[in-house]
Amino acid sequence: EVQLLESGGGLVQPGGSLRLSCAASGFTFSTYAMNWVRQAPGKGLEWVSVVTGIGDSTIYADSVKGRFTIFRDNSKNTLYLQMNSLTAEDTAVYYCAKSNFAHFFDDWGQGTLVTVSS
Amino acid sequence: EIVMTQSPVTLSVSPGERATLSCRASQSVSSNLAWYQQKPGQAPRLLIYGASTRATGVPARFSGSGSGTEFTLTISSLQSEDFAVYYCQQFNNWPLTFGPGTKVDSK
Repeated sequence: EVQLLESGGGLVQPGGSLRLSCAASGFTFSTYAMNWVRQAPGKGLEWVSVVTGIGDSTIYADSVKGRFTIFRDNSKNTLYLQMNSLTAEDTAVYYCAKSNFAHFFDDWGQGTLVTVSS
Repeated sequence: EIVMTQSPVTLSVSPGERATLSCRASQSVSSNLAWYQQKPGQAPRLLIYGASTRATGVPARFSGSGSGTEFTLTISSLQSEDFAVYYCQQFNNWPLTFGPGTKVDSK
């Protein structure tokens, strides 16, 4: 059974940084691209970023480009999202999501809440 | 960026009735379209990918159709557990984009 468990969310001040983690199990982690998708309170879903299975290529949404960095440690079966220069607009539940053979999401974590506020 | 729109915003349906949800893309996404179901406090769940292929474990009452720019998710006979928000997502172009969602609630 695929399991994705996010951690690292919390309250951070505007301009601050936070690193999210997603521990994966139940599948061959290095085989699949992995994503972060976020959802602001009461709003819809927004794709944030993707990293390839071996971690050699990344793509970002324009809203986070230059501020967020996605990376992975396949030896630890863990996906990360380093978030810098956070603003109130980054307040959301952040989900890690596994890509299937194409870039739709067949498995999701339970999410971790990031709140950016002073 | 491909903009996804969904209609209606809210669909009020009685159990046993048919529900038809629409999704439109601002440009062709071929059949690279997925549907997700999200219940309050839960992560989204994949229902349909490739516009019409049901994901593992998804009941046969869910079906998807369409290609290009126009897509439909149909729930043939709504069950109580189907009340939720439904999102479409295109995976034809970067960035990946979602529609704003359709809430299916009880009439």
